Amino acid sequence: RKEVEQDPGPFNVPEGATVAFNCTYSNSASQSFFWYRQDCRKEPKLLMSVYSSGNEDGRFTAQLNRASQYISLLIRDSKLSDSATYLCVVNEGNYQLIWGAGTKLIIKP
Amino acid sequence: GAVVSQHPSWVICKSGTSVKIECRSLDFQATTMFWYRQFPKQSLMLMATSNEGSKATYEQGVEKDKFLINHASLTLSTLTVTSAHPEDSSFYICSARPTAQETQYFGPGTRLLVL
Repeated sequence: RKEVEQDPGPFNVPEGATVAFNCTYSNSASQSFFWYRQDCRKEPKLLMSVYSSGNEDGRFTAQLNRASQYISLLIRDSKLSDSATYLCVVNEGNYQLIWGAGTKLIIKP
Repeated sequence: GAVVSQHPSWVICKSGTSVKIECRSLDFQATTMFWYRQFPKQSLMLMATSNEGSKATYEQGVEKDKFLINHASLTLSTLTVTSAHPEDSSFYICSARPTAQETQYFGPGTRLLVL
């Protein structure tokens, strides 16, 4: 079983719609969580950290469910520019980051 | 803030040559830098963790004698791909973690094509 799992997609979503995807992790002792965004042929960029209480940044909302060991990312009012691969990252402690393989999102006009 | 640069951005070389890639944190000090490799349509794969002033820690399956890492200062780490072969062609990305922070900041990557 992979330590961090994501649905690879692609998720094909019309512009303006709301889309959500999850990431599951296997290590219950994982300490912190992040979502990164990677555009085609570019480096990953930090999108947001995920806190226990959940956090929101504009159209993006991230949630953590420790009991079920998953984090989620919700994108509201999706834009064409949201098309990218979204990477889930889990810190297992001692700065050991485990990366998911990413979920590809395609926003269509 | 938190800018990481990589140089060169593109390399095309003949098989058997060595290629050196530099990773610099421009506006912060990074005790730890990471080197990743990404093949087309695949996820990032951590190759090694580089700590300033000490030997790098390599992930399983990564040959330390082929991928030489030097982290001589708090703002610079280098990766040298020795005797490169076509199967080494990939997108090499470094990241740097500011001291006492969790977040990694990525360089723009280096595309290596070995002919």
